[in-house]
This record gives sequence, C-alpha cells and structure tokens, in this order.
Amino acid sequence: ETGVTQSPTHLIKTRGQQVTLRCSSQSGHNTVSWYQQALGQGPQFIFQYYREEENGRGNFPPRFSGLQFPNYSSELNVNALELDDSALYLCASSLDAGGKNEQFFGPGTRLTVL
Amino acid sequence: RKEVEQDPGPFNVPEGATVAFNCTYSNSASQSFFWYRQDCRKEPKLLMSVYSSGNEDGRFTAQLNRASQYISLLIRDSKLSDSATYLCAVDDYKLSFGAGTTVTVRA
Repeated sequence: ETGVTQSPTHLIKTRGQQVTLRCSSQSGHNTVSWYQQALGQGPQFIFQYYREEENGRGNFPPRFSGLQFPNYSSELNVNALELDDSALYLCASSLDAGGKNEQFFGPGTRLTVL
Repeated sequence: RKEVEQDPGPFNVPEGATVAFNCTYSNSASQSFFWYRQDCRKEPKLLMSVYSSGNEDGRFTAQLNRASQYISLLIRDSKLSDSATYLCAVDDYKLSFGAGTTVTVRA
C-alpha cells in the first residue's frame, strides 16, 4: 500500500452537477498531482499542487479546479459535469515537486456522469 | 506527435517466456522515466524508476536509449501474476503516460 487514500471510491452524477474528490497524501509528502484516466487510456495530467500552490496544469478547462490544504491533502473540484468527464480520477503524492520524485498513486475515484 | 507512445500489444506469452516492449518519448530533454504496472480497474503501481541508462530489479530490466528516445521493459521468466497493463511515464515535473502495453501470461 502507498499510504495515499482517496474518497469516495465511486460516484454517480448527472450532467451539469458539481463534484468534489478528496485525496490524502502519503505521510511526509508535500506534492499532490491529479490525473484523469479514461477507459483504455493512460492517465492524463490535470494539475499539481506543491505546498498549497498550483504548480502546473495540463490541458483541462477551468471548470476543473483544486485545492491543497496545510496538511497537504487535496481536493479536485469539477463543475458543470459533462458525459466525457466519466473516468477514473487518480491522485498521486510525491516527496517533493520536480523530476526524480517518484509519484505514488491512490486507489482512485471512479466517476460516472449520466 | 504524442509525448509518450507505447506498443499497445497485447502480448500473449507462455509462463517462463521472456517478453519485451518499448516506449518512445518526444521530449529529448526528459531526465526521469518510470514503468508502472496497472491491474484491471486498479491504480498504477510503481514498478521501476530509470534515471540513467537502465535499471534491473529481479526479473525486470529497463533500458534507456537517449539517442533514439525510447525506454524498454524486459520481463524474464514470466509468471501468471505478471499479467497486467504496463504504463510508461516520462517525468517533466508532471508524468506523461503512454496508453499502456497489455501483457497476458498463459499457463
């Protein structure tokens, strides 16, 4: 086990709704990255938080937003849900930001948008 | 061109066989590379990190070829439990993943 936890494990929403996903990083890790994994694809980078600040963002619209708290846990918020948002959402924690920092994944939240 | 591309497979191999597959990347400045293993509907689990020319961990060997911009993963003496999707990731502060290579080891 990596020590990274996510909640909830599964979620069903309808189009237009909003969702908040949560992630607790591994003890001692100050960096959390969020990824979206559609069926049959590799994870796609959404954004990274380092010491409570956004530290890079992938090609996702502004309705995907996030937060990191002083204890380095993090939230991913998605507004105005679309059918294509259905995916496995993964968070990964690492000791620090930057290269050569191995990222360890939580079990993911499986989001279904109807 | 995609940042990271993998041969999707599937690779179907008998137990005990050796299987190898590649991953190509587009950013020649990339310094850190990773192989993850992902079982069906589970999270990726870190298998191996590659920072220099290669790495070896038991039956698994990763090789990095910077000139041709690819990383390979070789699995020797395949076990049934090696059946999974193997994801290649390139770290440019964020991880860029390939779509994965599916390996099925049959008895």
